[in-house]
Amino acid sequence: QQPVQSPQAVILREGEDAVINCSSSKALYSVHWYRQKHGEAPVFLMILLKGGEQKGHEKISASFNEKKQQSSLYLTASQLSYSGTYFCGTVNNNNDMRFGAGTRLTVKP
Amino acid sequence: DGGITQSPKYLFRKEGQNVTLSCEQNLNHDAMYWYRQDPGQGLRLIYYSQIVNDFQKGDIAEGYSVSREKKESFPLTVTSAQKNPTAFYLCASSILGQGAFNEQFFGPGTRLTVL
Repeated sequence: QQPVQSPQAVILREGEDAVINCSSSKALYSVHWYRQKHGEAPVFLMILLKGGEQKGHEKISASFNEKKQQSSLYLTASQLSYSGTYFCGTVNNNNDMRFGAGTRLTVKP
Repeated sequence: DGGITQSPKYLFRKEGQNVTLSCEQNLNHDAMYWYRQDPGQGLRLIYYSQIVNDFQKGDIAEGYSVSREKKESFPLTVTSAQKNPTAFYLCASSILGQGAFNEQFFGPGTRLTVL
């Protein structure tokens, strides 16, 4: 089953924070986060493996709660360049990968 | 420059014709993937391959076929059996590590329109 992302869309002003959630009905091995700008290919952000770790670079970080089968992506002090559609991809213990439908993030000046 | 190339960028075909989409990578990655993306939807896995001459079906393999004769190349054929082939097709590659899926590098995509 496809993971569920929320919200579907969010609009921010520069400097504001956002959280994007991803939840699965299946036990997960890993969660992947990608960002896709309009008309371009998705770009990798990070992978989180089961173990509840948190990862991040610059002002984008993520957490993974394997017990709840959920991951959250945190965008802090958003910049115009953060605009795009964010996808989570989940890999279950049977090595099946599924992507969520995406969260469209718009950052305005 | 290392990367993934897909050609062509736009492709138009008549209904009932098979069409092959090209995907080449020079990143020396073992694993390659094909995804389909429809407007407002996420990526759906069609096929993936972890090694030459071997590949596995993804979620939506029906109506598609692939080959992996060379490490660098993973062409996708959209056959006439695919009921709704008009879509954006993305190819990706990755190293092999823990599990089958690692950081994937995507090509620029091919937009296929079947008339």
